[in-house]
This record gives sequence, C-alpha cells and structure tokens, in this order.
Amino acid sequence: EVQLVESGGGLVQPGGSLRLSCVVSGFTVSSNYIIWVRQAPGKGLEWVSVIYSGGNSYYADSVKGRFTFSRDTSKNTLSLQMNSLRGDDTAVYYCARGLYGAYAFDIWGQGTMVSVSS
Amino acid sequence: QSALTQPASVSGSPGQSITISCTGTSTDVGAYNYVSWYQQHPGKVPKLIIYEVSNRPSGVSNRFSGSKSGNTASLSISGLQAEDEADYYCNSYTTSSTPKYIFGTGTKVTVL
Repeated sequence: EVQLVESGGGLVQPGGSLRLSCVVSGFTVSSNYIIWVRQAPGKGLEWVSVIYSGGNSYYADSVKGRFTFSRDTSKNTLSLQMNSLRGDDTAVYYCARGLYGAYAFDIWGQGTMVSVSS
Repeated sequence: QSALTQPASVSGSPGQSITISCTGTSTDVGAYNYVSWYQQHPGKVPKLIIYEVSNRPSGVSNRFSGSKSGNTASLSISGLQAEDEADYYCNSYTTSSTPKYIFGTGTKVTVL
C-alpha cells in the first residue's frame, strides 16, 4: 500500500526548533518528488517545500533560510528541519507524493500538528 | 508569490452545477498547464481531484471537470451532491526563478 506517515509535531517555543519526519511505504523516495504543505488552524493550504528525485529541494519564501528538507533514501524517509520557529508557523504539516510529470500531489499523509507558543 | 484568488464561497442545490474560479497571473496559471484541484472535507486530508488542468485521477467522479482560459482556471461540479460539500483549493506550478507550488485561497462549497 502506498502510504506516507508524518511524525514529530508538538509544542515548541518561539525561536525553537523541531524536526518532522515523513516515512513512506509502497514507493521509493529516490524515484519520486515529495512536498510539505501546511495548514494553519481554520486557514487554507500553503506550500512549504519540495524535494525532487535528484535530491534538490526548494522552499517557499516564508520558510527559506529557516527550514531544510532532506531525505534518507536508505530508510525511505524524509525530514523537515524547522529552525527559528515563529507563531505563524503553527499549522498541521502534511507530506504528499508528487504525481509523475504532473506537478500535482496524489497521496497525502494524515498530517502532524506543530504549535509555536510560549 | 501571492496566493491564487478563489471565491470564498459557492453554493448550489442538489443536482445543479457550480463553477469555482482560480485566478493567477501570466507567470503561474497562465504560463503552465500544471493546475491541480484538491477537495478537503472538514478534519480530513486533501484529496487530488483534477491535475494538469483537466485530468481526473482514477476513481474521481466524472462530475468534476477542469478547464483554463488565460490566467484563470476553473473547476466545475455537475449534478451537485451532498457529499460535494467541502473546501476546494486550486494549485499552480510556477518557476519564475525557482520551482514553487502556489495554492489558491480556497472555496467553501455549500450544498443547499
């Protein structure tokens, strides 16, 4: 079964750090592109970052320089390292698989909640 | 990069047809045929319902259809059903300098 499972969310103080994980099954991260999307409480979807099959990653302006998207192909796992967290980073974070050649996302994880508050 | 513009809400009666617009610019929606649409029920995970402007993934009802004209993409739902009540988001790929995936502001569809 094709599946993505996020973990690592929680409560963190402003300025703190958190590392989210996205464990995939049913496909390999080395052959697919994966994104992180977040959704603040009661708000819409916001693209955060993408990593392509070649390993290059790109970021939304709102997180550039603070977040790092990486992967471990041997463990079929991806990570989102989030530093210098702010209140407006509070959201449910989803990882999702890219549909080959279509720049769309067909399989989503269940999400993990990140709360940034003192 | 600003979010794509969608109407905040659209409503219709069962059996009717509705259309949701998604307006971007010449560097995103207008530049690429990489517009996708997602349906999200309350408390649930987003679901892909349209990709590449007008393609439906396997298993998605043919009551959903997509189109594009210039800088505006549209999602149409025909034969509106109670289960269609949800939030809908468009998304466009762009790469003015680096790749980006811009979401729309979202539209709440209400079945009257």
